[in-house]
Amino acid sequence: GQNIDQPTEMTATEGAIVQINCTYQTSGFNGLFWYQQHAGEAPTFLSYNVLDGLEEKGRFSSFLSRSKGYSYLLLKELQMKDSASYLCAGLDSNYQLIWGAGTKLIIKP
Amino acid sequence: SAVISQKPSRDICQRGTSLTIQCQVDSQVTMMFWYRQQPGQSLTLIATANQGSEATYESGFVIDKFPISRPNLTFSTLTVSNMSPEDSSIYLCSAQLGTEESPLHFGNGTRLTVT
Repeated sequence: GQNIDQPTEMTATEGAIVQINCTYQTSGFNGLFWYQQHAGEAPTFLSYNVLDGLEEKGRFSSFLSRSKGYSYLLLKELQMKDSASYLCAGLDSNYQLIWGAGTKLIIKP
Repeated sequence: SAVISQKPSRDICQRGTSLTIQCQVDSQVTMMFWYRQQPGQSLTLIATANQGSEATYESGFVIDKFPISRPNLTFSTLTVSNMSPEDSSIYLCSAQLGTEESPLHFGNGTRLTVT
């Protein structure tokens, strides 16, 4: 079956760095997405990786290893506003999105 | 980018009644989808809204319960019919603007409570 695994909850300190991991099993693979979702709001797109390696976008970076079925989202210089859920989603061979349950990130001052 | 207007933002409904949720996108759209999200849980795809034809439903969702319309490229409705408390959830409209690898844009959701 198809599956996305990510931690349920993580806690980090303002100004620090946090890495949110995601492992995926999909039927075929056409890329992996990360979305941010603040409580009570819609998910918003953060990143898309289809090739191995690290993609940096300001304070946020996303990494993909296709051979390991693994991705992570790296958040640097954490701010209180980064408190949110982070959703990992894999795109299978039929271009269907397989969603993880999300990682709730709590930032403490 | 796209702005997706979804309404109502929330509603409290009695069991046995129906609610229609509207979704309007301000850009040219290729695909539109309807999702459901229980608090603290993952997104579950209900169906793909097809322009001018019947929606494509995922396993566990049927047209009689969740009729969907998409009369043009940028507008869609989802009706939750004959509601029960189990239908209490957040319903999200989403749209894709480009290819199948393009990211989804989401409306702000409709928080439905069925009493």
